[in-house]
Amino acid sequence: EPEVTQTPSHQVTQMGQEVILRCVPISNHLYFYWYRQILGQKVEFLVSFYNNEISEKSEIFDDQFSVERPDGSNFTLKIRSTKLEDSAMYFCASSARESGANVLTFGAGSRLTVL
Amino acid sequence: TQLLEQSPQFLSIQEGENLTVYCNSSSVFSSLQWYRQEPGEGPVLLVTVVTGGEVKKLKRLTFQFGDARKDSSLHITAAQPGDTGLYLCAGINNQGGKLIFGQGTELSVKP
Repeated sequence: EPEVTQTPSHQVTQMGQEVILRCVPISNHLYFYWYRQILGQKVEFLVSFYNNEISEKSEIFDDQFSVERPDGSNFTLKIRSTKLEDSAMYFCASSARESGANVLTFGAGSRLTVL
Repeated sequence: TQLLEQSPQFLSIQEGENLTVYCNSSSVFSSLQWYRQEPGEGPVLLVTVVTGGEVKKLKRLTFQFGDARKDSSLHITAAQPGDTGLYLCAGINNQGGKLIFGQGTELSVKP
């Protein structure tokens, strides 16, 4: 069964460092998403991406965050200067279509720990 | 801002008991989904409900979408230890298709 692959599974970084989280979506999917889940809190939408541009982003997704699909297979989330409060599980998801009964397939997540 | 409130947040029951988890909002959603999340893994889709009043069954799990499409419930009959996990509801609006998650219900079924 097709799956969304995320790397690394866990990253520990110092505050202020740049972090890149990588995702390989399902190959025939066109819509890509990043969500995050701070420990003990709900899963929160960060950003959606379609046709090589951001289609929607949340208030959380400020100037410190960026996304890119550099080579047609990877979908990356970059945090330029990490803060303690960026510590969370980051989930990548992809889907074949955006609206209606949207079926997202989630990756297993990347745990980011900022010290 | 659209919000989904799940209740209860924690539920601990004995094997064989029935339970219901609720997901409520003041907003209308075009569809609503239920996910299950295991520790260290991403959410896995269980079901999508689209039509107001719709009922879907998945073995011992029954999902219902409210008539006004503002709420949903998940009912588990004769719960088993294998049902233990985090259950999440997520609503989809018509704008952009992003998922809005509830805070989840942590279910523990003891043998």
